This record gives sequence, C-alpha cells and structure tokens, in this order.
Amino acid sequence: DTAVSQTPKYLVTQMGNDKSIKCEQNLGHDTMYWYKQDSKKFLKIMFSYNNKELIINETVPNRFSPKSPDKAHLNLHINSLELGDSAVYFCASSPWAGSTDTQYFGPGTRLTVL
Amino acid sequence: QKEVEQNSGPLSVPEGAIASLNCTYSDRGSQSFFWYRQYSGKSPELIMFIYSNGDKEDGRFTAQLNKASQYVSLLIRDSQPSDSATYLCAVKGSGGSYIPTFGRGTSLIVHP
Repeated sequence: DTAVSQTPKYLVTQMGNDKSIKCEQNLGHDTMYWYKQDSKKFLKIMFSYNNKELIINETVPNRFSPKSPDKAHLNLHINSLELGDSAVYFCASSPWAGSTDTQYFGPGTRLTVL
Repeated sequence: QKEVEQNSGPLSVPEGAIASLNCTYSDRGSQSFFWYRQYSGKSPELIMFIYSNGDKEDGRFTAQLNKASQYVSLLIRDSQPSDSATYLCAVKGSGGSYIPTFGRGTSLIVHP
C-alpha cells in the first residue's frame, strides 16, 4: 500500500534529452509538491499544486514543467537536461494547503545527467 | 529570504546517550515546525511537529520550541544505532504560508 509512489526510481540520461517523472498518491490529499535534493542534501521546493492547480512555482528554469491530470497525480517533465539537473527529485503530498499540515514523501527519483 | 540553519555534523553519540539536534530560523513570524528523519538513500519521514512554545514529547523524542530565540531542537533519548540518519528541520512561515523551508540537515551517528 504505497502512499506516494514515483517512477522511475533511477533515471540516467544524456545532456539535452527530455525526460519525465511520474508521481501518484493514494492518500486522498489535495496538495502535491515536487522537491529537488542536491548532493549536499538541501531539499528545495520546486512546485506545488492544490487540487490540480499550480499554486507555487519557485525559481525554477522553464525547462521544468509540471502537469497534474488529476489531484492524485503530479508529473514532472524536464526538457533539454543539463548536468546541474542531476539530483534526487521527491514528490510529496499533504492533506491540504495549510500551515499545520504535514507532508508525505515519495521514495524519490535519482536523476543522473551524463 | 527565509533561512533555516542546522549544523551539518556529523554529531556522534554513544548508544544510550541523549542526542541533541538544533535548528534556528530567520522568519520571526514562523508558525509551524517539523522534524524529519532521512536515512541514506531514502525519503524524509516526519518524526514530530510542534506549534507552541515549550516541549512536546513523543516516546524517545522531544521537540523544544523557543519562538523568542527563534530556535527549535530535537532531543533523542536512549539513542540507538537505528537512529543514525540525517535529521531535517522544516519551518513554515508567517501569513499562512504552507510551503516549508528546510534546513540542510544534521547527520547523526549513534555508535554501539
């Protein structure tokens, strides 16, 4: 019973390619997120969706485009991959977009750009 | 710019000791504070949250919040080798902001 799942778990690709990461949550949560964790373990928010609508879009290159077909899914598409995109990408969800709710993280996707 | 600071460590403690992890934050209006544990190669998992000044206990874990001094800490009593992980502090800011700002985490090593 995986609460937040991501695919693929590992992604190795060449510079310049386009790739997608998928995320699904079966918790019935309204809000989903994408985070990037770099090699120094710094976890940084990229996007947040609430009920399929984009709420937060931090300073992220427009090569990154999130898509939420429904509130249980939030996918991340990355165009023209660069070396600096190598990181672990975590999807997360929370019950609502509030200051007191907690986040549940997926297992992460380790992206390596060669 | 909201900042959350943690000592990266590693913090090394013997088994059975108390591990003390600290976190300071810059946004004085911050309202919600979270501690996540992250094992190597795994995703963060929530250990505790605290909203009010003072202590909050859950089993071997105690979170302490001091809003006047803008710090939050996590105490782990009777530390076990299985507690060895990176501990991330997360803070949600003022104005109802629901996006947490994470610290870089403190690596804890509990040696037998």
